[in-house]
Amino acid sequence: DQQVKQNSPSLSVQEGRISILNCDYTNSMFDYFLWYKKYPAEGPTFLISISSIKDKNEDGRFTVFLNKSAKHLSLHIVPSQPGDSAVYFCAASKGQNFVFGPGTRLSVLP
Amino acid sequence: ETGVTQTPRHLVMGMTNKKSLKCEQHLGHNAMYWYKQSAKKPLELMFVYSLEERVENNSVPSRFSPECPNSSHLFLHLHTLQPEDSALYLCASSQEPAIAANYGYTFGSGTRLTVV
Repeated sequence: DQQVKQNSPSLSVQEGRISILNCDYTNSMFDYFLWYKKYPAEGPTFLISISSIKDKNEDGRFTVFLNKSAKHLSLHIVPSQPGDSAVYFCAASKGQNFVFGPGTRLSVLP
Repeated sequence: ETGVTQTPRHLVMGMTNKKSLKCEQHLGHNAMYWYKQSAKKPLELMFVYSLEERVENNSVPSRFSPECPNSSHLFLHLHTLQPEDSALYLCASSQEPAIAANYGYTFGSGTRLTVV
């Protein structure tokens, strides 16, 4: 029973356009949500997080949106760049308990 | 270089072997973690150490034995593994676990383990 779901295993976007990565969760007790990026042969790298008391957090080209009523969050990357091509993991936490989604592979095409 | 170093990068071992994975961080973090990533499955938390004490063990089989001798080093001792234990084992570190959510983890590059 996956508590954090990323239903799109892969996504392709043209360079310069917006990338939207989606994540759904089932546990309403989660209070922080994070996004990680992972390149091949490297560990995941922290990108951005959002507290459950917010609905938006922005950091440069990356914006995370949280819809608590729908138990849904999304990561927007704009404009997308070829270097953004990686696997993106959504994670949710309650205290020390982190749960990761299965990841979405983003390919940004030049 | 992410600040979290894992060795070896690749390991092939037989089911009767004993081996150890090593993780080292010099970020001044107080918490260290072992995660397992199997093919097409989410990252699974195995062990959490905070200030060198184990605070969480997610029902991991006893053939995996962690050791945290100090806040900079973490080991995962392996013995009598099964082929289904083949996976990428990731070490991570963070500030106190309670605030890891704000700042995230720093992950190592992982050890690709193959059990034959």
